[in-house]
Amino acid sequence: KAGVTQTPRYLIKTRGQQVTLSCSPISGHRSVSWYQQTPGQGLQFLFEYFSETQRNKGNFPGRFSGRQFSNSRSEMNVSTLELGDSALYLCASSPTGTDTQYFGPGTRLTVL
Amino acid sequence: AQSVTQLDSQVPVFEEAPVELRCNYSSSVSVYLFWYVQYPNQGLQLLLKYLSGSTLVESINGFEAEFNKSQTSFHLRKPSVHISDTAEYFCAVSEPSGGYNKLIFGAGTRLAVHP
Repeated sequence: KAGVTQTPRYLIKTRGQQVTLSCSPISGHRSVSWYQQTPGQGLQFLFEYFSETQRNKGNFPGRFSGRQFSNSRSEMNVSTLELGDSALYLCASSPTGTDTQYFGPGTRLTVL
Repeated sequence: AQSVTQLDSQVPVFEEAPVELRCNYSSSVSVYLFWYVQYPNQGLQLLLKYLSGSTLVESINGFEAEFNKSQTSFHLRKPSVHISDTAEYFCAVSEPSGGYNKLIFGAGTRLAVHP
């Protein structure tokens, strides 16, 4: 099976802009989770979607949002970008009934 | 709230030497435990996991970890490391009752294997 794919791999934006990141899970996986990785804060949970519904959310401001489509693909949106949003954004998918998550390669977002 | 502590931020070791990367978690409630490895400019790869059953779990590339409930630890070990094991290692925990597929990660341990 193909692994989790994320697009784009690299992105450069300026403050105030918005950005959308995409994640395609492993075939058959219906759960998609998003994480932010920064040198200062480490890996932090953003949110998790299952069957198009957000089931769990981390402690991030409302500028961070997501959605999931009927084919389980997920998008994450960040509005009004700040310099501190520069990070590696990781997506993970999980088979139903397990807590085992499989990660994609990430999207490196740089905010100038 | 659940937290994970990786006691060493960096571990230097010579090739073919044994290594132990330490991980402790805060809560004694039922948990699932994971080790992930991250190579430069890549995502996280699952190394091994403890969900239930035997407290000693092994990976295909020679790593093993032992779940110790009384000490709330899940230390990662390898008897003989290779240069290719140089990477950052993350310990993570999830609570089956605490929310779906929400991993809490430690800060990571950078393993540097020297020839």
